[in-house]
Amino acid sequence: NAGVTQTPKFQVLKTGQSMTLQCAQDMNHEYMSWYRQDPGMGLRLIHYSVGAGITDQGEVPNGYNVSRSTTEDFPLRLLSAAPSQTSVYFCASSEGSTPYNEQFFGPGTRLTVL
Amino acid sequence: AQSVTQLDSQVPVFEEAPVELRCNYSSSVSVYLFWYVQYPNQGLQLLLKYLSGSTLVKGINGFEAEFNKSQTSFHLRKPSVHISDTAEYFCAVRGGLTGTASKLTFGTGTRLQVTL
Repeated sequence: NAGVTQTPKFQVLKTGQSMTLQCAQDMNHEYMSWYRQDPGMGLRLIHYSVGAGITDQGEVPNGYNVSRSTTEDFPLRLLSAAPSQTSVYFCASSEGSTPYNEQFFGPGTRLTVL
Repeated sequence: AQSVTQLDSQVPVFEEAPVELRCNYSSSVSVYLFWYVQYPNQGLQLLLKYLSGSTLVKGINGFEAEFNKSQTSFHLRKPSVHISDTAEYFCAVRGGLTGTASKLTFGTGTRLQVTL
C-alpha cells in the first residue's frame, strides 16, 4: 500500500512550457484534490474531484487543468507555465469528501518556472 | 466563507518546555477543525481533528487542542516538546459537510523550532 504518490519530485520549466504533474493513490479513494503551497500563504486548493469523471475548480484554478478518467489517477496539467506557478504542489485523497474522511497527502512536487 | 488565522509565523521553544500554537477561525456555518504537521520535505500529516463532542481533542505525538466556540479558537498544545517536533504546523477548517463549504481552508502555518 503506497498511499498517495506524486511524480516528479522536482521539475524546472521555462516560461511557456507545458507539463503534467502525476498523482496516484491505491486506497480506492473517491475524493482527490490538488493544492499549491507558497511561503506565507498556506495551502490553496486548485482543483478537486469527487469521483471518476467529475472535477471542479478550487480557489486558484487559473492556468491549470485536471481530468479524472480513473479512480486511481488525478493528473494536474500546466498548459503554459508562468513564473507565478513556481510552488510546491501537493495531491491529496480521501475516502469521501466529508470532514469525517481524513485526507492523505502525497510528498509533493517542487516546481520552478524560469 | 470560512477563514483561518494563525497568529504566529514562528515559535521558538526549548526542548521539554510547553508550547501553544494559536489558531482562530471564522465560519458562517458549523465548523470542523484540523491540525496538520509537515516535517521538512514531506507532505502533510493529520495531527488531530475536532468534529463534534468533547471540546478537548487529543492527537498523535502527545498533542492536544481545545475547541472554544465563544472565542472562535482551536489552539494546539503540548506539555513538553521534543527536538523531533520541529516542523511546520497548519490549522485548517471545513465549514460544512458538502458543497463548497466542505473544502479545507488552511492557515498560513506556524514554524515550530525546538532547540536544546
